[in-house]
Amino acid sequence: AQSVTQPDIHITVSEGASLELRCNYSYGATPYLFWYVQSPGQGLQLLLKYFSGDTLVQGIKGFEAEFKRSQSSFNLRKPSVHWSDAAEYFCAVGARYGGSQGNLIFGKGTKLSVKP
Amino acid sequence: SQTIHQWPATLVQPVGSPLSLECTVEGTSNPNLYWYRQAAGRGLQLLFYSVGIGQISSEVPQNLSASRPQDRQFILSSKKLLLSDSGFYLCACPLKGSGNTIYFGEGSWLTVV
Repeated sequence: AQSVTQPDIHITVSEGASLELRCNYSYGATPYLFWYVQSPGQGLQLLLKYFSGDTLVQGIKGFEAEFKRSQSSFNLRKPSVHWSDAAEYFCAVGARYGGSQGNLIFGKGTKLSVKP
Repeated sequence: SQTIHQWPATLVQPVGSPLSLECTVEGTSNPNLYWYRQAAGRGLQLLFYSVGIGQISSEVPQNLSASRPQDRQFILSSKKLLLSDSGFYLCACPLKGSGNTIYFGEGSWLTVV
């Protein structure tokens, strides 16, 4: 079955510290991979995506993610967290082809808190 | 530019009342459109998607229905709301020219009381 697992429900880091949010997926074919961020009461904003090519992708707000096919992972990283990064982060996978393009499967999210 | 509009932004409805949430897209034509629901502690779940006017695919059985009366309009409805319908409803659409990158509207908060 297709699924996305974000093992960490809640993470707290100090401002200026590095961050890694984990994402593992189970998918029958090579997927498209996404990370979205959601501030309280807001919609989802796309941080970055992986379609093909370089497995290390850069996104907005200083985030990056690395696709590791052998580990079925797409972990999100940031070298130095800012207080404004406090939000909930969602990993998602989608189909490359066919009628289900755009039907994303989401993880349950990781809530990030930032300590001053 | 392409934008997704959702309304109302927030809604409090009694159990058994009807529901209509509207999503309209500007800046594109004949887009695929999606309704997702985000319930507390359950992440986001795809409810419906539409590849064209009058074409609706349901991903999960539920108390809700969707319609697409116009090319860029996608409506989520219910005849009788249940408490379990409470949640954050997000309309989504691929950004034209971006391949499979899905962008989301600002969402509609529904509280059923």
